[in-house]
Amino acid sequence: DGGITQSPKYLFRKEGQNVTLSCEQNLNHDAMYWYRQDPGQGLRLIYYSQIVNDFQKGDIAEGYSVSREKKESFPLTVTSAQKNPTAFYLCASSMASGGDGGLETQYFGPGTRLLVL
Amino acid sequence: ELKVEQNPLFLSMQEGKNYTIYCNYSTTSDRLYWYRQDPGKSLESLFVLLSNGAVKQEGRLMASLDTKARLSTLHITAAVHDLSATYFCAGVTTSGTYKYIFGTGTRLKVLA
Repeated sequence: DGGITQSPKYLFRKEGQNVTLSCEQNLNHDAMYWYRQDPGQGLRLIYYSQIVNDFQKGDIAEGYSVSREKKESFPLTVTSAQKNPTAFYLCASSMASGGDGGLETQYFGPGTRLLVL
Repeated sequence: ELKVEQNPLFLSMQEGKNYTIYCNYSTTSDRLYWYRQDPGKSLESLFVLLSNGAVKQEGRLMASLDTKARLSTLHITAAVHDLSATYFCAGVTTSGTYKYIFGTGTRLKVLA
């Protein structure tokens, strides 16, 4: 089955600890994204990547880091610098835009809920 | 910079009634998406609207796009309880790299 997987489903972080959220896709999509969702809020973009070995900061990148060593994988690390990490984290992927109006709908993974101990 | 606003933020409606959710965006958006999110779950794609006047329908939901007014609507016909969810619209920035900008969502509750 094609899709996006995220793990773990729940993650607990201790103060001062770095934690890594996994995101894998087998849709052969070029672009991948990380969003943060706080209760009752919309989605805010953390980082995105349109090709392997390249990524850009989104609107709330401080305290987070990413890597894109493989097309199918885009892990997110929540560092100790992120003082308020409790949120629902969503990974998404899409075909990279060719500017030709093609359909580039984002497909979302099931999410990881991060809680601070 | 593209900003996307939805209204209402909360909507409680009786089964069988019709209602419309509005999505306004501030600058040109390459396209407009609608998503559904059930509580504690991920987002599910509903519609993508590519051009002015585009209309898409699936069951009791119909989405439309007016690029001149920078407005998209999601119309619910004869609501049923299963439509209870949060609905998000999202635009796409057109300068440089493509970024999706989401509205804050409309939480819909359909009462039996």
